[in-house]
Amino acid sequence: DAGVTQSPTHLIKTRGQQVTLRCSPKSGHDTVSWYQQALGQGPQFIFQYYEEEERQRGNFPDRFSGHQFPNYSSELNVNALLLGDSALYLCASSPGTAGNTIYFGEGSWLTVV
Amino acid sequence: QKEVEQNSGPLSVPEGAIASLNCTYSDRGSQSFFWYRQYSGKSPELIMFIYSNGDKEDGRFTAQLNKASQYVSLLIRDSQPSDSATYLCAVTNPGTALIFGKGTTLSVSS
Repeated sequence: DAGVTQSPTHLIKTRGQQVTLRCSPKSGHDTVSWYQQALGQGPQFIFQYYEEEERQRGNFPDRFSGHQFPNYSSELNVNALLLGDSALYLCASSPGTAGNTIYFGEGSWLTVV
Repeated sequence: QKEVEQNSGPLSVPEGAIASLNCTYSDRGSQSFFWYRQYSGKSPELIMFIYSNGDKEDGRFTAQLNKASQYVSLLIRDSQPSDSATYLCAVTNPGTALIFGKGTTLSVSS
C-alpha cells in the first residue's frame, strides 16, 4: 500500500521564480492538505483540497495556490518566490475532511536563493 | 489565534528512563489531539492520537489528555537512543486543519 508520495524531493529556485510541487495521496484518501515547515518550526497549514476544491486556507498569501485532480492528486504552486519561502513543504492526506488521522509524505525541500 | 505550546527542549534522558513531553493548547473546543515524531531531515510520523480525557497506551507510548487543563502529554517508557527526535503536538476540531506546536527535541543517551 503506497503511502503519500511527493515530488520533487529537493529543489533550488531563484527569487522571483515560480515552483510547482506535486503530491499523490495514500490509497483510499480523498483529501489533501499542504503544510509549510520552516527550520525549527512546526508545520504551518497552507490549504486543504477536497473534491477538487479548496476547502480551507491558512494564513498564506495568494502567491500560494493549488489544485486537486480527479484522481485526488494535488499540486502546490508558489509564485514570485521569496527567500522566506525556503522550507520543507509537506503534503498530507486523509479520508475525508473530518480532521482525523492524517499521514504525511516525505516532503519537498525548497531552497530559494 | 489558536495556539499550541511546547517546550522546545532539548529534553535529555538516559537510556531506559521515562521521557515526558508536554503540550498545552489555547482552543478549549479542541477535540482531537495527536503526537508526531520527526527525525532530523524527515517528515512527521504519526505516533498516537487521543480524543477522550485520560490515558491511552500503545506499547512504550502513553498519551494523556486533560481537557479541563487544556493539556496533553506523551510518556515514553524505556527510552531508547532511537527515540531521539523532535516530537510535535497537534490539535484539531473536526473539519479544521491541524495546528502544530513547534516541537520538543528529545535526546536519549546510551
